[in-house]
Amino acid sequence: RKEVEQDPGPFNVPEGATVAFNCTYSNSASQSFFWYRQDCRKEPKLLMSVYSSGNEDGRFTAQLNRASQYISLLIRDSKLSDSATYLCVVNLAGNQFYFGTGTSLTVIP
Amino acid sequence: DVKVTQSSRYLVKRTGEKVFLECVQDMDHENMFWYRQDPGLGLRLIYFSYDVKMKEKGDIPEGYSVSREKKERFSLILESASTNQTSMYLCASSLDGELFFGEGSRLTVL
Repeated sequence: RKEVEQDPGPFNVPEGATVAFNCTYSNSASQSFFWYRQDCRKEPKLLMSVYSSGNEDGRFTAQLNRASQYISLLIRDSKLSDSATYLCVVNLAGNQFYFGTGTSLTVIP
Repeated sequence: DVKVTQSSRYLVKRTGEKVFLECVQDMDHENMFWYRQDPGLGLRLIYFSYDVKMKEKGDIPEGYSVSREKKERFSLILESASTNQTSMYLCASSLDGELFFGEGSRLTVL
């Protein structure tokens, strides 16, 4: 079983739509959770950390559900510039990071 | 801002050649990592290092070695490149559970 599972998509949504991605993790001892954004042929960059209380940054909202072992990312009012691959990253401890395979999003004019 | 710099963005090598990929970080992070990223497989850990001269194998260390002689520099070595090592190689350093990636080195082995 994979440590982190993500729906690879692709998600094709019109501009202005709301889109949600989920990611599940298998190890209940996981400590830190992140969403990274990766543009085509570029490196992943941190989009936001994910906390149990949920956190919001503009049009982006991240949630963590420890009981069900999943994290989510909600993008409201999608922009063309949101088109990218979104990676779920889980830190078990110290040096142990686990990655989802990424969810591809294309926002269509 | 944390900066992780990979020396080569694009490389083309021939089978059997020795390949060096260098990575430098400027934030005094103890932990550094080498990953490769392939379509459909995501990021896979090759090696990581938690201190100078310390290294640990990741999930796919075969065919690779690493060197960490200074805290800021972590090198990945392919002793004898093979076509199945054609990939995107990403170096990262970490602090407080957050990863900072270099721009990546896209290696093609012919």
